[in-house]
Amino acid sequence: DIQMTQSPSSLSASVGDRVSITCRASQSISRYLNWYQQIPGKAPKLLIYAASSLQSGVPSRFSGSGSGTDFTLTISSLQPEDFATYYCQQSYSTLMYTFGQGTKLEIK
Amino acid sequence: DVQLLESGGGLVQPGGSLRLSCAASGFTFTTSAMNWVRQAPGKGLEWVSAVNGGGGSAYYAHSVKGRFTISRDNSKNTLYLQMNSLRAEDTAIYYCGKIDTYRVDYWGQGTLVTVSP
Repeated sequence: DIQMTQSPSSLSASVGDRVSITCRASQSISRYLNWYQQIPGKAPKLLIYAASSLQSGVPSRFSGSGSGTDFTLTISSLQPEDFATYYCQQSYSTLMYTFGQGTKLEIK
Repeated sequence: DVQLLESGGGLVQPGGSLRLSCAASGFTFTTSAMNWVRQAPGKGLEWVSAVNGGGGSAYYAHSVKGRFTISRDNSKNTLYLQMNSLRAEDTAIYYCGKIDTYRVDYWGQGTLVTVSP
């Protein structure tokens, strides 16, 4: 099974900051990596797919990079609505799309 | 618009059974793989199970294999999750999701399953 590990587990930042979250896979997954945002009490929302492609309707301040085993989600200038929990997900294993443990982004 | 509406959650005793449903609309259900993802209270997302568009291939997390069964009725545009031998650790919000080209692009609002005496 492919294990996904995110870091950090939590992060404090201010509006306007640039932040990055990393995700590491236990084996190479090429670019089969997605990022989701979850606001408390809501369903997850797809932000980035295929490591770096922006889902329709997602602001351009969100970007993704990486391939193989190491990936990064970057938010260029934090907005108040960005404070949420972020999850990476591998989609390399046929339909067995497992998640990282999540990164909670909090207001400093 | 794509809509996914889960139902069937509730309170069940340990060892009991429950069947979740996810009614889909707004897309071609028969050609879309679907999955179930759960979230225990205060915890992260856990992939549970997935099925291909035709229903012939199903996949399960180790934690539920042998106890849960995913299925779909393409004539009714509905996804199911039959959950047997439920345990306290199965307590979670269960989300159904539509899969498109290696990503879950739409999610339902979730249904809460509570396993407790």
